[in-house]
Amino acid sequence: AQKITQTQPGMFVQEKEAVTLDCTYDTSDPSYGLFWYKQPSSGEMIFLIYQGSYDQQNATEGRYSLNFQKARKSANLVISASQLGDSAMYFCAMINTGTASKLTFGTGTRLQVTL
Amino acid sequence: EAGVVQSPRYKIIEKKQPVAFWCNPISGHNTLYWYLQNLGQGPELLIRYENEEAVDDSQLPKDRFSAERLKGVDSTLKIQPAELGDSAVYLCASRRGGGTGELFFGEGSRLTVL
Repeated sequence: AQKITQTQPGMFVQEKEAVTLDCTYDTSDPSYGLFWYKQPSSGEMIFLIYQGSYDQQNATEGRYSLNFQKARKSANLVISASQLGDSAMYFCAMINTGTASKLTFGTGTRLQVTL
Repeated sequence: EAGVVQSPRYKIIEKKQPVAFWCNPISGHNTLYWYLQNLGQGPELLIRYENEEAVDDSQLPKDRFSAERLKGVDSTLKIQPAELGDSAVYLCASRRGGGTGELFFGEGSRLTVL
């Protein structure tokens, strides 16, 4: 079985500062993918970044980077230079070929960016 | 390219009434998902389709929930009869299929059961 754990129910960060959102995972499948999605108050799930289990380098997408530590089974999201519009729920999720394309989500972290 | 389209965005019904949600995935996406998201929680899978075949419906409460994906394109999720605990957001997502590629989500259908 696969499991995603996000231990931070809520986080605060000041505008222009960097913030790290934690995510740990558990799977027995050697082939998997890790995602981060942003969900603003409007409700849509917005894809941010993806990391494959065999990728050699950490994924980066603009201000988003994924700190992938395979041995520790962690996939933390780093947001640099936070903006007020980054305030939202953030979900870590995993998909693996062992469960045939099922995407499993964590419980989410609510990020609030302050002035 | 159009995204995943869901309707209605909002629905308010009384308990014991039926309700249906519709999803049009991105063109060419073989895999379609229905997720349930309760307030303050992460989405949970209800059912996954590969083309027109439901390949994972283990989390679908089959006594009151049903889904179909005719011709492997659009999908409908139905609840009959609705209960108070069904109040949630129902998210539809699609992906091209195979590997570990990204899921694209619709805006969701928010159901309130009174």
